[in-house]
Amino acid sequence: GQNIDQPTEMTATEGAIVQINCTYQTSGFNGLFWYQQHAGEAPTFLSYNVLDGLEEKGRFSSFLSRSKGYSYLLLKELQMKDSASYLCAVPMDTGRRALTFGSGTRLQVQP
Amino acid sequence: ETGVTQTPRHLVMGMTNKKSLKCEQHLGHNAMYWYKQSAKKPLELMFVYNFKEQTENNSVPSRFSPECPNSSHLFLHLHTLQPEDSALYLCASSQETGTGELFFGEGSRLTVL
Repeated sequence: GQNIDQPTEMTATEGAIVQINCTYQTSGFNGLFWYQQHAGEAPTFLSYNVLDGLEEKGRFSSFLSRSKGYSYLLLKELQMKDSASYLCAVPMDTGRRALTFGSGTRLQVQP
Repeated sequence: ETGVTQTPRHLVMGMTNKKSLKCEQHLGHNAMYWYKQSAKKPLELMFVYNFKEQTENNSVPSRFSPECPNSSHLFLHLHTLQPEDSALYLCASSQETGTGELFFGEGSRLTVL
């Protein structure tokens, strides 16, 4: 089976750095996704990691360790608009196209 | 604008009503999905269609009936729902090849009275 764990909520200060962790268990690894979802809106794609290491994209970076079943999303220079839920997801069992999602981490950025 | 449009955005229905949710994607994708998002629960996959053929039914009750007339349109027909079916229903699409990134619509917020 598959299992994804993320913290439920996090709070951080505007301008700071925050790291959102995700641990996963899956029988066949085929990449890991991070999505952002503002309240009442569609989830939007942030990043995709398939190889170990850090992928940087502007203020957002995502890290993957396949041997540890671990990923994190790093948000730098936090802005108020970064207050949202961050969803970690992996493809379902090999050969299936859909994604399995974690419960999401709700990030509150405070002034 | 994600290229995936869902209507209606909000729907209130009684348990004896019949209604439908509609999804349209303008991205040229050939796979479409229905997910259910309930409060404090992960997104739950309901159905997957590839090239108009249903390839996944994730043990969804028969009171939810999907329809995919072509690769751009997806419907979710609802009948005799229960209050616990109240949730946000999200449609998504993806390309058959590539990373498998899903593109989501804004969702249809359903309330069953």
